[in-house]
Amino acid sequence: DIQMTQSPSTLSAFVGDRVTITCRASQDITDWLAWYQQKPGKAPKLLVYKASSLESGVPSRFSGSGSGTEFTLTISGLQPDDFATYYCQQYGSYSYTFGQGTKLEIK
Amino acid sequence: QVTLKESGPALVKPTQTLTLTCTFSGFSLDTTGMRMSWIRQPPGKALEWLARIDWNDDKFYRTSLKTRLTISKDTSGNQVVLSMTNMDPMDTATYYCARTCGSGGNSWFDIWGQGTAVTVSS
Repeated sequence: DIQMTQSPSTLSAFVGDRVTITCRASQDITDWLAWYQQKPGKAPKLLVYKASSLESGVPSRFSGSGSGTEFTLTISGLQPDDFATYYCQQYGSYSYTFGQGTKLEIK
Repeated sequence: QVTLKESGPALVKPTQTLTLTCTFSGFSLDTTGMRMSWIRQPPGKALEWLARIDWNDDKFYRTSLKTRLTISKDTSGNQVVLSMTNMDPMDTATYYCARTCGSGGNSWFDIWGQGTAVTVSS
């Protein structure tokens, strides 16, 4: 299976900051990557698919980029509602794996 | 409006078979291109995809769990069912169903149910 490694595991930031989360794949996945946001006790919410396509209804302060093996999720101008855990997911070849998550905390 | 809701036992004993049902509305699994998946999350851990079923009854499973999983659909009742045999305490998790987008081997999950927590203990 393709392994997904996220960094950092935990990130502390202030409201208004710009933050970036990185996800690395163990092999080339072209742009078959999605990002999700999960809050405690809730189901994940799709933010980005195909590496950089923003899901309908997701605020434009979220953006995704990358291809091949390295991808980033950037949040520009953090809002209080953005403090959550973020997961990347690769979806190539009938095998789907998630990263271990990045917890975004308020500083 | 698309909604999904999981149901099933909250507690199962080791070696028993777990059966979970996802009841959904707002779309039909009969529609060409529609897919549904099951995903789980052990307490405090990452997400793990388990299985996928397509509108044409094609089925795909996590390789490491393939011998224990069965996914099926009841399109008339708008339901997808997941069975997992020989349950172990390591299978304790919240189990989610999710509508699945994409084509061919590529799938991401756009709408999720609220999840159902399952504990495996004697």
